[in-house]
Amino acid sequence: DADVTQTPRNRITKTGKRIMLECSQTKGHDRMYWYRQDPGLGLRLIYYSFDVKDINKGEISDGYSVSRQAQAKFSLSLESAIPNQTALYFCATSNNMNTEAFFGQGTRLTVV
Amino acid sequence: RKEVEQDPGPFNVPEGATVAFNCTYSNSASQSFFWYRQDCRKEPKLLMSVYSSGNEDGRFTAQLNRASQYISLLIRDSKLSDSATYLCVVTLYNQGGKLIFGQGTELSVKP
Repeated sequence: DADVTQTPRNRITKTGKRIMLECSQTKGHDRMYWYRQDPGLGLRLIYYSFDVKDINKGEISDGYSVSRQAQAKFSLSLESAIPNQTALYFCATSNNMNTEAFFGQGTRLTVV
Repeated sequence: RKEVEQDPGPFNVPEGATVAFNCTYSNSASQSFFWYRQDCRKEPKLLMSVYSSGNEDGRFTAQLNRASQYISLLIRDSKLSDSATYLCVVTLYNQGGKLIFGQGTELSVKP
């Protein structure tokens, strides 16, 4: 089983719908991140959390919200999906700022 | 200005070539530095950390220049399997160590 699991792996949704992307990890890490990837733009940080009670906005948080339900779980919600949120979304975890980050396999989201 | 900038490429090189990628970062409070590899829209995976003294792992050499705020990755004797996107990553000490990615440099190694 993967150390970082994202569900769903692929999703097509309609404009205006609410959708939740889920991430769970078995690494025991406190730090968790949500990124989106668009062609030519690399990975851009949406939200990050350094422990269960800590939530921080990244560079592109508008239109998104997150919930850190437990150390192992970090969910990303699109309250009202719009087509320009079509992207590849990655969840990641790390132990501290000086060590490797581990990624989930990604969620390919299409908003039509 | 982006916090981490890379030449997006693509770099098209023949097998056996040596290729170098550069990355610049704007925040002097950057703490740690990494190169990640990403294959065809799969998840990024750590290639190597970058240390102040420079470090080598087989055909890969990473260098850090804090004064000029850039990081480099050198790949010697390129293989077909090196074809991928290479992502430069920094952590920001003054922001709790959050991870910031460059946009990636695409490498294509041809026979």
